[in-house]
Amino acid sequence: EAGVAQSPRYKIIEKRQSVAFWCNPISGHATLYWYQQILGQGPKLLIQFQNNGVVDDSQLPKDRFSAERLKGVDSTLKIQPAKLEDSAVYLCASSPWGREKLFFGSGTQLSVL
Amino acid sequence: AQSVTQLDSHVSVSEGTPVLLRCNYSSSYSPSLFWYVQHPNKGLQLLLKYTSAATLVKGINGFEAEFKKSETSFHLTKPSAHMSDAAEYFCVVSDWVYNFNKFYFGSGTKLNVKP
Repeated sequence: EAGVAQSPRYKIIEKRQSVAFWCNPISGHATLYWYQQILGQGPKLLIQFQNNGVVDDSQLPKDRFSAERLKGVDSTLKIQPAKLEDSAVYLCASSPWGREKLFFGSGTQLSVL
Repeated sequence: AQSVTQLDSHVSVSEGTPVLLRCNYSSSYSPSLFWYVQHPNKGLQLLLKYTSAATLVKGINGFEAEFKKSETSFHLTKPSAHMSDAAEYFCVVSDWVYNFNKFYFGSGTKLNVKP
């Protein structure tokens, strides 16, 4: 079974630039999560999709972050414009609906200079 | 809302000695609890999961955790540490909200294993 795929693996940008991350979940997984993990902290949920609908984006900074999951499969998370405090690892996870198990990708490490 | 507190940000043990990583949770009912491990530059991997079937849960790589409702704890243990256990460990509680599963992560415990 193929795992959760994320790209790019690393990204370095300057503040005020824009950046996008891509995630392809495990085939058939209805739920997709984007987490932000700042160094020294646990992952924080940014947005959760059920198929192509958003079920929780309460902690997404909507003035600069956006995410979509077209056709209920892969997903893109965008930051525009980036700030220094956005430096973090962005983790994508997926889960079959009704199953209490998260499958994580390797993450994208973002450095904002 | 659910929450978890990992009581130690760093734990250091010698190879071959026991490991104890502590986690306390808050929940208004019987929760589902998990431990995940994150090795450097790797994704998070499920170690074990508690869902009320048995209070002592065995996971991969010799880890186990005991659910203690009276103490609202779910501590992770291993009898004998191995160098490959050096990683960051996250305690997680899940909750069903409006028919969707949500996961709440602790702040993590970094385990260092000395030769």
